[in-house]
Amino acid sequence: GESVGLHLPTLSVQEGDNSIINCAYSNSASDYFIWYKQESGKGPQFIIDIRSNMDKRQGQRVTVLLNKTVKHLSLQIAATQPGDSAVYFCAENISMDTGRRALTFGSGTRLQVQP
Amino acid sequence: GAVVSQHPSWVICKSGTSVKIECRSLDFQATTMFWYRQFPKQSLMLMATSNEGSKATYEQGVEKDKFLINHASLTLSTLTVTSAHPEDSSFYICSALMTSGGLSQETQYFGPGTRLLVL
Repeated sequence: GESVGLHLPTLSVQEGDNSIINCAYSNSASDYFIWYKQESGKGPQFIIDIRSNMDKRQGQRVTVLLNKTVKHLSLQIAATQPGDSAVYFCAENISMDTGRRALTFGSGTRLQVQP
Repeated sequence: GAVVSQHPSWVICKSGTSVKIECRSLDFQATTMFWYRQFPKQSLMLMATSNEGSKATYEQGVEKDKFLINHASLTLSTLTVTSAHPEDSSFYICSALMTSGGLSQETQYFGPGTRLLVL
């Protein structure tokens, strides 16, 4: 079935470096994507979103890139800090068979920032 | 803005008892809320969609009589795990849907989660 998946389960970077977390999706009809950050024992925290009519969107220290041709999504974190250590999920907002919309989450990537 | 709370944050109960978890959107109204379940080191799995004023929609494989959902107001949804057993132990997370500009502009904001341990 349709799914959202991640290439790398764990990413380790040095403090101050840039981080890139990748995500592949398979539902070509998806029109809205979100990146969430989840720290241990907490709920997912919204980071940034992007709609399918855009290729790039920037936030504070974060950039999301969308390549619809290859169905690829990435999250770039500039000047990674220890506080960025967490699991990052991409999520795809899809329309279900019933017409309602729901999020499908990828498997997650753990980002470890080394001091 | 867009704050979602959950109560309790953690609960330990005996097998066979029922546990109620509350999800509240604190600064916006949400006609739709979602309930997820997350096992350790795994992704979030959608259990059901909670709709204000109507019955919840359950995902395949989720027992509606086991996981009772009530969305009584635009800011509150509750999940009751009935006759809980050890295999129900998990991290339960709710989210509230904030909409603007139509269906294409929807963002789910998540609560902090409730950790349930059934002995």
